[in-house]
Amino acid sequence: KQEVTQIPAALSVPEGENLVLNCSFTDSAIYNLQWFRQDPGKGLTSLLLIQSSQREQTSGRLNASLDKSSGRSTLYIAASQPGDSATYLCAGIYNQGGKLIFGQGTELSVKP
Amino acid sequence: NAGVTQTPKFRVLKTGQSMTLLCAQDMNHEYMYWYRQDPGMGLRLIHYSVGEGTTAKGEVPDGYNVSRLKKQNFLLGLESAAPSQTSVYFCASSAASGGYNEQFFGPGTRLTVL
Repeated sequence: KQEVTQIPAALSVPEGENLVLNCSFTDSAIYNLQWFRQDPGKGLTSLLLIQSSQREQTSGRLNASLDKSSGRSTLYIAASQPGDSATYLCAGIYNQGGKLIFGQGTELSVKP
Repeated sequence: NAGVTQTPKFRVLKTGQSMTLLCAQDMNHEYMYWYRQDPGMGLRLIHYSVGEGTTAKGEVPDGYNVSRLKKQNFLLGLESAAPSQTSVYFCASSAASGGYNEQFFGPGTRLTVL
């Protein structure tokens, strides 16, 4: 069964710290992996998409990596800010239909 | 572009009532999806569509029906609502190319079934 896991479920860091969020998946036959941000009571905002042929993607202070052989993806956030506080979700796509399989998310709190 | 929009934003139903949730996208995307999000269960796929006139079941399809009569719209129907269908429902869309493209999500519909 294809599963996506995110650990830890919650993380609290002081402002300015660099941090890494982890995502692991059970099936290495992944098409791509997408990272999202969700604010309380809101929808999902796409942050980064990594295709299976890529190893990483960068957008501003965010950098996402993908290692299919180890079944892991990481989201690196540089110089964290209180505005980065949100739940971060990773999701894998395994087939042509493009159906996402989501992790449970990591709730990030950045303290001023 | 409005992106992906969903109506209504909130709804309260009584057990046994029916309703339809509407999703619309203005990005000319081929693929559209309906997910539900529940505490402790994460986001799970209900139904999806890979093009106008086509639909397919996802992970948790029971109790729901869908239709994709127009490319830009994807409707999710509950024929006889049950308390277990209390959830937040999200619609998403992506361009074609076998799922290699990003999925874009709507703001969600919060449904409570009493």
